[in-house]
Amino acid sequence: GENVEQHPSTLSVQEGDSAVIKCTYSDSASNYFPWYKQELGKRPQLIIDIRSNVGEKKDQRIAVTLNKTAKHFSLHITETQPEDSAVYFCAARLSGYSTLSFGKGTMLLVSP
Amino acid sequence: KAGVTQTPRYLIKTRGQQVTLSCSPISGHRSVSWYQQTPGQGLQFLFEYFSETQRNKGNFPGRFSGRQFSNSRSEMNVSTLELGDSALYLCASSLGGTGGDLDGYTFGSGTRLTVV
Repeated sequence: GENVEQHPSTLSVQEGDSAVIKCTYSDSASNYFPWYKQELGKRPQLIIDIRSNVGEKKDQRIAVTLNKTAKHFSLHITETQPEDSAVYFCAARLSGYSTLSFGKGTMLLVSP
Repeated sequence: KAGVTQTPRYLIKTRGQQVTLSCSPISGHRSVSWYQQTPGQGLQFLFEYFSETQRNKGNFPGRFSGRQFSNSRSEMNVSTLELGDSALYLCASSLGGTGGDLDGYTFGSGTRLTVV
């Protein structure tokens, strides 16, 4: 199956700074890469996703970039706010399958 | 539309017992995937059910099993519980497409299982 590595495991930033979380995947046949945000005590929620035929996607303060050659994708959060504090998970899906393989998560702490 | 419903929210069991967890997906979704979430290990895939059939399976022992009913509701069962089975068990609902209709998961709130 697909193997997804995620870094860093923890990330502390000051409010207003940018945050970047990086993931790598092992199988070049993966074609779908979602990102989930899980606040303390809550369920993971999809915040943005990207398909393999696209290099970048933006949604307000968040963006995801995909480098298929290097098999890595990144989440970028600009102008961070305390409410961005959460655990973020990246995931990848192999073409022809419906199962998502997740990274181990990044705990983002945004200090006021 | 109603979200993904998992019951119960919390369970406390003793070692050796067995437990059954339930997940009702979003109406129209045919795929239910189960994940175990523990600190430091992230989300580990247990299995996926699609149209009442197990379609994919992760690397968990045979003590972990599941099934899906005709209305797409799914149950997972863990027999002979061990202390290490203490975790948050999440189910995820999706259309289950494997072709061009890529879609993400919608997670339930999870069942917090504590084995003592």
